[in-house]
Amino acid sequence: NAGVTQTPKFRVLKTGQSMTLLCAQDMNHEYMYWYRQDPGMGLRLIHYSVGEGTTAKGEVPDGYNVSRLKKQNFLLGLESAAPSQTSVYFCASSQRDMQTQYFGPGTRLLVL
Amino acid sequence: AQTVTQSQPEMSVQEAETVTLSCTYDTSESDYYLFWYKQPPSRQMILVIRQEAYKQQNATENRFSVNFQKAAKSFSLKISDSQLGDAAMYFCAYYNYGQNFVFGPGTRLSVLP
Repeated sequence: NAGVTQTPKFRVLKTGQSMTLLCAQDMNHEYMYWYRQDPGMGLRLIHYSVGEGTTAKGEVPDGYNVSRLKKQNFLLGLESAAPSQTSVYFCASSQRDMQTQYFGPGTRLLVL
Repeated sequence: AQTVTQSQPEMSVQEAETVTLSCTYDTSESDYYLFWYKQPPSRQMILVIRQEAYKQQNATENRFSVNFQKAAKSFSLKISDSQLGDAAMYFCAYYNYGQNFVFGPGTRLSVLP
């Protein structure tokens, strides 16, 4: 039981490049979330999903897209990376609404 | 919109001593959840303790306990018998039905040997 895993752990991109961050959970959780964490700030929600095939915008969705084709996976895409997207990205999952969130180890992204 | 405030950017405590981290929040709701998460240097977010607003009894988890003051919208975390492994960033978080988690900016706790 690995919990929540994230791939990759670290990535460097050039401005304008695209990439996809993968989050996987093996706890059969319905809800999944993508956050970004910036220095001096708490986590901010980018997008979330309440079930397979559904996604919704969070607090800071601009510049990101997501997909939840399988219940256990939640992908975060950057179509054209910008330096402002340099951050640490966390994925989380929860059994259902109102439940405790379980976090992955984070992905550090540097956009030059 | 709900907000979560942690007024102490940094705190330090002597090993084996007790420390209290403060958190206040703003909401007009009566039923919600509050959490404390710990983020060690490994960056992984780890749940420390959770409190349901409808419960008057303060949550406890081994050396960790909270002082939940609903009227004052205050949710402080007390760490007793501090250990070196407690050194981390601590985030207070608020959650309400149908809404998203709101995290505070965090408090960096150092434990001095």
